[in-house]
Amino acid sequence: GQQVMQIPQYQHVQEGEDFTTYCNSSTTLSNIQWYKQRPGGHPVFLIQLVKSGEVKKQKRLTFQFGEAKKNSSLHITATQTTDVGTYFCDPGTYKYIFGTGTRLKVLA
Amino acid sequence: DTGVSQDPRHKITKRGQNVTFRCDPISEHNRLYWYRQTLGQGPEFLTYFQNEAQLEKSRLLSDRFSAERPKGSFSTLEIQRTEQGDSAMYLCASSLSSAEDLNTEAFFGQGTRLTVV
Repeated sequence: GQQVMQIPQYQHVQEGEDFTTYCNSSTTLSNIQWYKQRPGGHPVFLIQLVKSGEVKKQKRLTFQFGEAKKNSSLHITATQTTDVGTYFCDPGTYKYIFGTGTRLKVLA
Repeated sequence: DTGVSQDPRHKITKRGQNVTFRCDPISEHNRLYWYRQTLGQGPEFLTYFQNEAQLEKSRLLSDRFSAERPKGSFSTLEIQRTEQGDSAMYLCASSLSSAEDLNTEAFFGQGTRLTVV
């Protein structure tokens, strides 16, 4: 089945620093979705990217889909403690495949 | 609240007992999913329904696990003869398939945390 590799697995940043997580696939994706799961919570949808080279912004979050539609990134500018959680990418299949994600800790 | 709801939120059971969990999806959603999540891992796909039809089961799902969605609305997940290794968070999600068959966002419930002692 379609799988993606997400890096890094963990990231600790000081509050105010930027953060980026990357999602890489060996095959071309039709679309990609990003989810966030807060500690003790459930995954919550953030965004879906469909077009090659697409860039979408949500406040301090910037999502990119590669030109070849094989990779994607999520960048957070000036992290805040509310950004803490695990960020998952899903390779856009019908059954929502989640890897281990990237766990972000923000140190105040 | 019109989100995905799961019941119970927590279940503690003795090894060997059977347990059943319920998921009520968002009412107009035709797709329903069950996942299992253990500490430090992402949700693992277990099974998937489109309306009342169970279209896929993960190889992770042993014969002790069964899921139903009898009327295409709520779903139940039953685990028979529970084992300690079944201890996990069981998450349900629902979505609405699009006309173009492009997957749409999944809405997750808050999960049922199972502890087998």
